[in-house]
Amino acid sequence: DVKVTQSSRYLVKRTGEKVFLECVQDMDHENMFWYRQDPGLGLRLIYFSYDVKMKEKGDIPEGYSVSREKKERFSLILESASTNQTSMYLCASSSSSGSIYREQYFGPGTRLTVT
Amino acid sequence: SQQGEEDPQALSIQEGENATMNCSYKTSINNLQWYRQNSGRGLVHLILIRSNEREKHSGRLRVTLDTSKKSSSLLITASRAADTASYFCALAGGTSYGKLTFGQGTILTVHP
Repeated sequence: DVKVTQSSRYLVKRTGEKVFLECVQDMDHENMFWYRQDPGLGLRLIYFSYDVKMKEKGDIPEGYSVSREKKERFSLILESASTNQTSMYLCASSSSSGSIYREQYFGPGTRLTVT
Repeated sequence: SQQGEEDPQALSIQEGENATMNCSYKTSINNLQWYRQNSGRGLVHLILIRSNEREKHSGRLRVTLDTSKKSSSLLITASRAADTASYFCALAGGTSYGKLTFGQGTILTVHP
């Protein structure tokens, strides 16, 4: 069965802390994505990666960075957390086999609160 | 980047009734996908319809796509309380490699 896991379901951090959100997929997918979801704003893409060590900015990359050292793992880093980064963070992965526009598989999400 | 616009924003129905949600968009697409999200959870892929397809079925789900009107609809027949969730359309295509652009979703509530 397809599986995307995220390191934490709930996380509380203080302003200025460095925060790591981890995502692991077991489907050998080439593509991985980080979104944030906020009420009234829907899902917005932060960063994505289409290969190991490759990354592309999404629609709202400011304040975030990512790392993909291994194919199965994609990390989102908040260098200095701020209260406006309080949100639900969703990781997803997809295959490029046959088409680059395949369906995405999502993790359960991490609800991050920055105080 | 383009975004699908969903209508209605919220829908409340009784068990056994049909639920219809619509998605409109503005530019060309490779395919359009529908996802479901139960409260506080991740999204689950429901169905993908390609730009050269007009209709697709999966169980109680029926999706239509009209590329001339740039719109899609998701029909859930004989709804159940367990269908209560948010439903999102996602657009694939254009110049964005492998990226999907999600609409803001329709909140469906099915009353037992």
